[in-house]
Amino acid sequence: DIQMTQSPSTLSASVGDRVTITCRATQSFSDWLAWYQQKPGKAPKLLIYKASTLQSGVPSRFSGSGSGTEFTLTISSLQPDDFATYYCHQYSTYLWTFGQGTKVEVK
Amino acid sequence: QVQLVESGGGVVQPGRSLRLSCAASGFTFNGSAMHWVRQAPGMGLEWVTVTSYDGTHIHYAESVKGRFIVSTDNSKNILYLHMNSLRPEDTAVYYCARDFSSPDLWGQGTLVTVSS
Repeated sequence: DIQMTQSPSTLSASVGDRVTITCRATQSFSDWLAWYQQKPGKAPKLLIYKASTLQSGVPSRFSGSGSGTEFTLTISSLQPDDFATYYCHQYSTYLWTFGQGTKVEVK
Repeated sequence: QVQLVESGGGVVQPGRSLRLSCAASGFTFNGSAMHWVRQAPGMGLEWVTVTSYDGTHIHYAESVKGRFIVSTDNSKNILYLHMNSLRPEDTAVYYCARDFSSPDLWGQGTLVTVSS
């Protein structure tokens, strides 16, 4: 199975900050990588798929990059609604795996 | 409206069984694989199982292999998860999700609590 290591586990930031979250895989798998935002009590919300494609309706301050084994989610200017937990997710095989999550909290 | 709606969660004693349902609307399972993903309280996302739309490819996480069974009723567009020999560590919100070139559609989840 492909293991995903996400960092950092917690990130303290302020409104307007540029935020970067990294995900590393134990095997290369091209760009079958998604990023989600999750708020308490809610289902994960798809932000990015195929490593860099913005899901319809997601603000353009979110962007994704990378391929192979290293991927990045960037929020260009953090907004109040962005304080949440973020997960990376590889879907290159039927056996999905997820990163451990990054909680973005108020500094 | 394209959506997935899970149901069937609840409180169940250890060792007992429970069946979850995931009803799809606005699309058919044809061409999609369907997954179950769970999230224990305060924890991250854990993949549980997948079935291809025709049932030819079925896989399980090691943690549920031999206890859980995934199935579909393609005539009704319903995905099922039959959970047997439940353990306290199976306590989680269970989500179904569609895999149609990307994992673009998730349900709202149903909570399963395994407790005596």
